[in-house]
Amino acid sequence: QQKVQQSPESLIVPEGGMASLNCTSSDRNVDYFWWYRQHSGKSPKMLMSIFSNGEKEEGRFTVHLNKASLHTSLHIRDSQPSDSALYLCAASLNYNQGKLIFGQGTKLSIKP
Amino acid sequence: EAGVTQSPRYAVLQEGQAVSFWCDPISGHDTLYWYQQPRDQGPQLLVYFRDEAVIDNSQLPSDRFSAVRPKGTNSTLKIQSAKQGDTATYLCASSYGAEQFFGPGTRLTVL
Repeated sequence: QQKVQQSPESLIVPEGGMASLNCTSSDRNVDYFWWYRQHSGKSPKMLMSIFSNGEKEEGRFTVHLNKASLHTSLHIRDSQPSDSALYLCAASLNYNQGKLIFGQGTKLSIKP
Repeated sequence: EAGVTQSPRYAVLQEGQAVSFWCDPISGHDTLYWYQQPRDQGPQLLVYFRDEAVIDNSQLPSDRFSAVRPKGTNSTLKIQSAKQGDTATYLCASSYGAEQFFGPGTRLTVL
């Protein structure tokens, strides 16, 4: 069964717009969330990680986490065509536990 | 710093054939992971090692898949008798600590 669910499956955002991606874990044992970006034909690369309730911002990217609902979201402001990619959310039991459970991904397309 | 390297980059097989994938992790990384990523889906962990020890292989189809990391550095993933359902990209990742770094993957097509 899928323990990490992402929504929407795909998203089209105009260039310069805001993209919002969602992710929820059904496993109440997870404590850590990771966001990876995978451009077509390339390997996943980590964007951001979050472990505490609240918000974390790095440049145009902001991640929120609500630990009570095990929901995390990724927001990309001023979206660029180069942001078009598959965005993967992953959860783990602890920081160094190693085992990441990935969601199915959100395919983001930025239209010029 | 060199990244995770994998070979081959592509493989095309008939059902029933065997194939091996090779991974060279980032130097100094003690943990190595193998993932299977079907097209347009998220990666699914098959097995992971810390040094030469298998930590978790619960998702590895043991009747046809095997993985080794004999000296705690490079690793080989082998499929004994490939099926069409094995068509996917096989990703290797390594870590020393929390963040996993992925290799370019091997794209496998089973006809």
